Amino acid sequence: EPEVTQTPSHQVTQMGQEVILRCVPISNHLYFYWYRQILGQKVEFLVSFYNNEISEKSEIFDDQFSVERPDGSNFTLKIRSTKLEDSAMYFCASRWSLETQYFGPGTRLLVL
Amino acid sequence: SQKIEQNSEALNIQEGKTATLTCNYTNYSPAYLQWYRQDPGRGPVFLLLIRENEKEKRKERLKVTFDTTLKQSLFHITASQPADSATYLCALDPSRSGGSYIPTFGRGTSLIVHP
Repeated sequence: EPEVTQTPSHQVTQMGQEVILRCVPISNHLYFYWYRQILGQKVEFLVSFYNNEISEKSEIFDDQFSVERPDGSNFTLKIRSTKLEDSAMYFCASRWSLETQYFGPGTRLLVL
Repeated sequence: SQKIEQNSEALNIQEGKTATLTCNYTNYSPAYLQWYRQDPGRGPVFLLLIRENEKEKRKERLKVTFDTTLKQSLFHITASQPADSATYLCALDPSRSGGSYIPTFGRGTSLIVHP
């Protein structure tokens, strides 16, 4: 069964460093999302991407964040200058229609 | 402001019983509501979707109800098994008539099924 994949599974970085989180969505899906989940808290929407552009973004998704679909398969989330509070699990998700979402396994980001 | 509430306390039940989880929402007019399962350290896994014009949806041992008047969804697992132990998340997408398609999740309810 097709699945969303994410790399790396874990990332440790120093505060102020840039990180790039990578996702390969399911191949025929049209909508792509990034979410984050701080430990013990709810899944929070960051950004959605459709037709090669951002369609929605939350208040969390400030100028430190950016997303790209550099080729036909990868979907990346970049955090330019990480802060301690960016430590969280980051999930990529994709969907074919505006209904069922398929989540990746997540990247656990730890900012020291 | 928009709010989704799920029971924050864990639900403990005996194997074989029916588990019922609740999702309440305010200040939303969702086009549909989704339930997900999340295991520790893993991504959410989609279980069921129910539309605003549907009252009930079933899939194997799972049943979801959706009452847009009460602004509530109930999620039932019948003949529960220890393998059903996980956190169950409710998620809403706002109605097409207004708002954007930003899925919003509740905090989830932890279900523990004892053998």
